[in-house]
Amino acid sequence: GEDVEQSLFLSVREGDSSVINCTYTDSSSTYLYWYKQEPGAGLQLLTYIFSNMDMKQDQRLTVLLNKKDKHLSLRIADTQTGDSAIYFCAERNRGSTLGRLYFGRGTQLTVWP
Amino acid sequence: GAVVSQHPSRVICKSGTSVKIECRSLDFQATTMFWYRQFPKQSLMLMATSNEGSKATYEQGVEKDKFLINHASLTLSTLTVTSAHPEDSSFYICSARELAETSSYEQYFGPGTRLTVT
Repeated sequence: GEDVEQSLFLSVREGDSSVINCTYTDSSSTYLYWYKQEPGAGLQLLTYIFSNMDMKQDQRLTVLLNKKDKHLSLRIADTQTGDSAIYFCAERNRGSTLGRLYFGRGTQLTVWP
Repeated sequence: GAVVSQHPSRVICKSGTSVKIECRSLDFQATTMFWYRQFPKQSLMLMATSNEGSKATYEQGVEKDKFLINHASLTLSTLTVTSAHPEDSSFYICSARELAETSSYEQYFGPGTRLTVT
């Protein structure tokens, strides 16, 4: 099956950049996603990247994709305390006709003032 | 933007009773809805995929007679936990995919339902 791996914890100071890393095993991944989950809430889609792209930037968020190494990262510039949450990496592969996603275990980002 | 709601947001029930959780797409039609279960500090575990008007497809290890899924319309799917036991206590999240084909196959997630079985 598809495996998506993430480090479990990341702590940064307010104003610094955060980089959350993710690796995946499925070479047929077509879309890769980053979701944010705040305590007691559902998942909010932050951004996604298509597998033929190397980078995507959206305001404070930058996604980098190294398809050769199957490595995805999310960089949050000028991290704020409101960015504290769990961040999930997810991938959808070419064979998933229903759009099924495979999630990592999530990275708990803690931002210190 | 697309909004998915879940009801109730939190429910406490006695062991042996059944609980129904609703998932609604509020401003779009969803051909496919997914039901996930999330344990504390863990990732989402896909339980089943439901398509409007057909039987749900359950993941391996998920008891279909215990977790009944009904996707009767393009805006509503329900998950019924039958004869609930304390080990069924968890955070249940649904997501919905739009009817209109989009290249990103974006899923919209509900806010989740916290089930506690006493």
